[in-house]
Amino acid sequence: DQQVKQNSPSLSVQEGRISILNCDYTNSMFDYFLWYKKYPAEGPTFLISISSIKDKNEDGRFTVFLNKSAKHLSLHIVPSQPGDSAVYFCAASGGSGGGADGLTFGKGTHLIIQP
Amino acid sequence: GAVVSQHPSWVICKSGTSVKIECRSLDFQATTMFWYRQFPKQSLMLMATSNEGSKATYEQGVEKDKFLINHASLTLSTLTVTSAHPEDSSFYICSAQGGLSYNEQFFGPGTRLTVL
Repeated sequence: DQQVKQNSPSLSVQEGRISILNCDYTNSMFDYFLWYKKYPAEGPTFLISISSIKDKNEDGRFTVFLNKSAKHLSLHIVPSQPGDSAVYFCAASGGSGGGADGLTFGKGTHLIIQP
Repeated sequence: GAVVSQHPSWVICKSGTSVKIECRSLDFQATTMFWYRQFPKQSLMLMATSNEGSKATYEQGVEKDKFLINHASLTLSTLTVTSAHPEDSSFYICSAQGGLSYNEQFFGPGTRLTVL
């Protein structure tokens, strides 16, 4: 049973426009959420995270929004650049902040930025 | 900062042999290390959590006698796949948690294991 779901296997966006990647979760114990970027045959690279006590976190071109009542989060990338083409994983962890929790990952969304 | 390395990056072995994969945090002390496995077109699945000096905690469905984890120091964890079989072929990725970014996990580049 997938506790973290990324329902779009792929997303194609034109360069310069906004990319919006979505993620839903079912476990209400999750309290920390992360987005990772991954290229084939490489480990994931951390992008941005958000604690459940917040509803928005911004870092440069990346913004993550969290809607706890809907158990939904999204990653916005604006403006999208060709180097953003990769697979993006949504991940979640439970327990109190700072706890050593393994991450539960979604299946990923392959973002393709078109010139 | 927060660099995690894995060795080897890929390995091919015969069925029945054992393979050891190393995970090192190069510039910080990792209080906890995690091992994940990723099958093609699937998400990363947590296999086990290891803390330095103590026994690893395995996720449900992961055989602890088959996947031996040793976390002897704050910078090194090893995963040994014992008596590997073709179904163990996968992409194994470790992550390390610690230092100032205590809530973030930094991932290694992964190890591609192919069992013939």
